[in-house]
Amino acid sequence: GAVVSQHPSRVICKSGTSVKIECRSLDFQATTMFWYRQFPKQSLMLMATSNEGSKATYEQGVEKDKFLINHASLTLSTLTVTSAHPEDSSFYICSARGSHQYYEQYFGPGTRLTVT
Amino acid sequence: AQSVTQPDIHITVSEGASLELRCNYSYGATPYLFWYVQSPGQGLQLLLKYFSGDTLVQGIKGFEAEFKRSQSSFNLRKPSVHWSDAAEYFCAVGVTGANNLFFGTGTRLTVIP
Repeated sequence: GAVVSQHPSRVICKSGTSVKIECRSLDFQATTMFWYRQFPKQSLMLMATSNEGSKATYEQGVEKDKFLINHASLTLSTLTVTSAHPEDSSFYICSARGSHQYYEQYFGPGTRLTVT
Repeated sequence: AQSVTQPDIHITVSEGASLELRCNYSYGATPYLFWYVQSPGQGLQLLLKYFSGDTLVQGIKGFEAEFKRSQSSFNLRKPSVHWSDAAEYFCAVGVTGANNLFFGTGTRLTVIP
């Protein structure tokens, strides 16, 4: 149980375009979803937290207009990187937590974004 | 402020040898403690967690961890390492009042034949 999927697993886009990453909880209702960014050989950096039906809460230093997060349903959250630049290239990981999963997060497999 | 320290950036062990990965945290109350494992290019998989009760917790893949309040530690152990255990290991802490987890910087485990 507690499976989280992400799509796509890899994406290459041109500078200036936008790309959307989906995060789905497959077998539970995710009341809270988290988006992380991970640089090579580094830990996870929390970007934002979203609760279903509410606006996302962004961490300090994360541009909310560049990284649009939508958590429209209890099983789906999306991260849209707008006007992507090469410095946005990274590994993006989502995680999800249900209402009864006390502090425990289940992670998706990640999305490798490369901006050329 | 809460912090999680994994003092070992990289550890190399021989297959079959025992393993201990260190994790220390800084938080005033008892935190909720987790160990996750990440294989290259993959997301994180939960190995084990501690919320309360018995301070020695068993996880998947033969891992265990012990919460020591006096040392603010939650070290991960495995008696006999397998080559497939080579990965990045993250310790994480959840605290009351905070929605997210705080992650350590990770320890990369290399297993040699």
